[in-house]
Amino acid sequence: GAVVSQHPSWVICKSGTSVKIECRSLDFQATTMFWYRQFPKQSLMLMATSNEGSKATYEQGVEKDKFLINHASLTLSTLTVTSAHPEDSSFYICSAPSRRDEQFFGPGTRLTVL
Amino acid sequence: QKEVEQNSGPLSVPEGAIASLNCTYSDRGSQSFFWYRQYSGKSPELIMSIYSNGDKEDGRFTAQLNKASQYVSLLIRDSQPSDSATYLCAVNRSAGKSTFGDGTTLTVKP
Repeated sequence: GAVVSQHPSWVICKSGTSVKIECRSLDFQATTMFWYRQFPKQSLMLMATSNEGSKATYEQGVEKDKFLINHASLTLSTLTVTSAHPEDSSFYICSAPSRRDEQFFGPGTRLTVL
Repeated sequence: QKEVEQNSGPLSVPEGAIASLNCTYSDRGSQSFFWYRQYSGKSPELIMSIYSNGDKEDGRFTAQLNKASQYVSLLIRDSQPSDSATYLCAVNRSAGKSTFGDGTTLTVKP
């Protein structure tokens, strides 16, 4: 299957700071990527669709000004959590779909906001 | 009604037994169906995809699809402790998106 990487794998930051998470497709081009958030022992929640060369589309209830998404190239999407607060602490995961809608997930980024 | 529903679990089976995981979906227009495995603290990984009615086998895993009943299942034969994980059922939406169930946690006891 295709390989998707994420960086960093974990990050700890102070409340009020911004954190950028990168998602890269290593061996294929991804015009679309997806960002998810998962709280402990809860289900995967789709946050937004990252579209190469255009604006991201956000799921209902997700603040677009808080979770900034940029998809500047066919292999890189970034998620910036702005003015992070402790309630933003979570496991953030990206995925890129294949032509048959299979999702290839990155390894995830664990964010802890103090 | 949720778009994708799975057994609430947890499911516990002894080593060597068959584990059966079930999933129903609400959108009759869905065409693609997937099973992902997620180990604790890790991201999901694709283990099976199925697109047409019937059974699809891959090693110890068999996916079954019945579009008329809007039902997808995953059977794991000869279950091993390493199969202990949360299994996510997913159904395609538009534009490459998938809708995920809440997952069923499987524990295989040695």
